Amino acid sequence: GDSVTQMEGPVTLSEEAFLTINCTYTATGYPSLFWYVQYPGEGLQLLLKATKADDKGSNKGFEATYRKETTSFHLEKGSVQVSDSAVYFCALAGSARQLTFGSGTQLTVLP
Amino acid sequence: GAGVSQTPSNKVTEKGKYVELRCDPISGHTALYWYRQSLGQGPEFLIYFQGTGAADDSGLPNDRFFAVRPEGSVSTLKIQRTERGDSAVYLCASSLVQGGRTDTQYFGPGTRLTVL
Repeated sequence: GDSVTQMEGPVTLSEEAFLTINCTYTATGYPSLFWYVQYPGEGLQLLLKATKADDKGSNKGFEATYRKETTSFHLEKGSVQVSDSAVYFCALAGSARQLTFGSGTQLTVLP
Repeated sequence: GAGVSQTPSNKVTEKGKYVELRCDPISGHTALYWYRQSLGQGPEFLIYFQGTGAADDSGLPNDRFFAVRPEGSVSTLKIQRTERGDSAVYLCASSLVQGGRTDTQYFGPGTRLTVL
């Protein structure tokens, strides 16, 4: 079945540092890939998505590229801010319509 | 417009009791999903509705769990004979379905269920 493997946390960075959160997946066919973010005390929000190979999703300075050859969708940001502190979830939507999530990565950005 | 809403936001119950959790999707969204999120984990799929019918209930853990969406809008997740292991945050999401492909899922704030 479909699965998502996500870099384990927690991750602690200083403000303006470079961020990478690794995500790899297993799925049949051509899934859509997503990053969701959960800020403290808030619900899950879509951060970015990509629906086909080589697509790059981007939002709020975050980027992720759908790499079919490596089955990966790593999240990157060039310069993190304290306000980026949150839990980040990688997810896929495969042949079934529901989302399959990774276990989440807690990011803390220190001033 | 209004997002997905869920009520109650918190529910504390005793082992063995029955609970109902409600979800109001975004207006016009035909697809509705229930997920369960345990502490420190990602959400896990429970059930998916397309319109009024349950298109996929393969994620329901056992027959104590049941969900309905009688008019194709509001949905209720029902849990009978609750157990302590049912304690989790229950999330609802809704989406459009366009051209046979599911669009982005939008999540509600969740209901935190605690079974004592």
